Amino acid sequence: AAGVIQSPRHLIKEKRETATLKCYPIPRHDTVYWYQQGPGQDPQFLISFYEKMQSDKGSIPDRFSAQQFSDYHSELNMSSLELGDSALYFCASSLNRDRTYEQYFGPGTRLTVT
Amino acid sequence: AQKITQTQPGMFVQEKEAVTLDCTYDTSDPSYGLFWYKQPSSGEMIFLIYQGSYDQQNATEGRYSLNFQKARKSANLVISASQLGDSAMYFCAMRVSTSYGKLTFGQGTILTVHP
Repeated sequence: AAGVIQSPRHLIKEKRETATLKCYPIPRHDTVYWYQQGPGQDPQFLISFYEKMQSDKGSIPDRFSAQQFSDYHSELNMSSLELGDSALYFCASSLNRDRTYEQYFGPGTRLTVT
Repeated sequence: AQKITQTQPGMFVQEKEAVTLDCTYDTSDPSYGLFWYKQPSSGEMIFLIYQGSYDQQNATEGRYSLNFQKARKSANLVISASQLGDSAMYFCAMRVSTSYGKLTFGQGTILTVHP
């Protein structure tokens, strides 16, 4: 079965650079979520999109922005990167229209800021 | 606001034995869902099992079962017949009906299975 695809899998950036993470949800899924997991921590919700509209927002820094495109893929844009942004970034998708809400996670993008 | 608490930072179990990972939750929303995820050292998040707040029976998925005690607000994961490949971090998570599906995670429990 098709799974959530994230690219790139690994990314190394320097401070003050920008990064773009991409997410391709499971086909037919209508909702995408972004989570940030720092080293040794639990995942923290950043932002979500339902049918290409932002549906919820968590503790996402103003330096970050995200959107969902017409083909349902999503991108997380991160600017002025800081050392503390080093983390594993997960994208997850679900089919909320059917009210199942089960979320399936992608493999994650490991971002290292040096 | 909702909160998930996992009080066991680490657990050890002998291969082929059963183990219970604890999870308690707090929410004022009457409609919610509880999830367990497994995160191996490679980092991916693997969905294990789901329990809805209105489900009458405890969820089961193969060797995984969820001991759901609504009055106690607990949703413990039971893994039967542990295998070496079960060694991983386990997260309990919750979503409430008013949250558009976002998950709130607990701190996680590291499970180590000994041969």
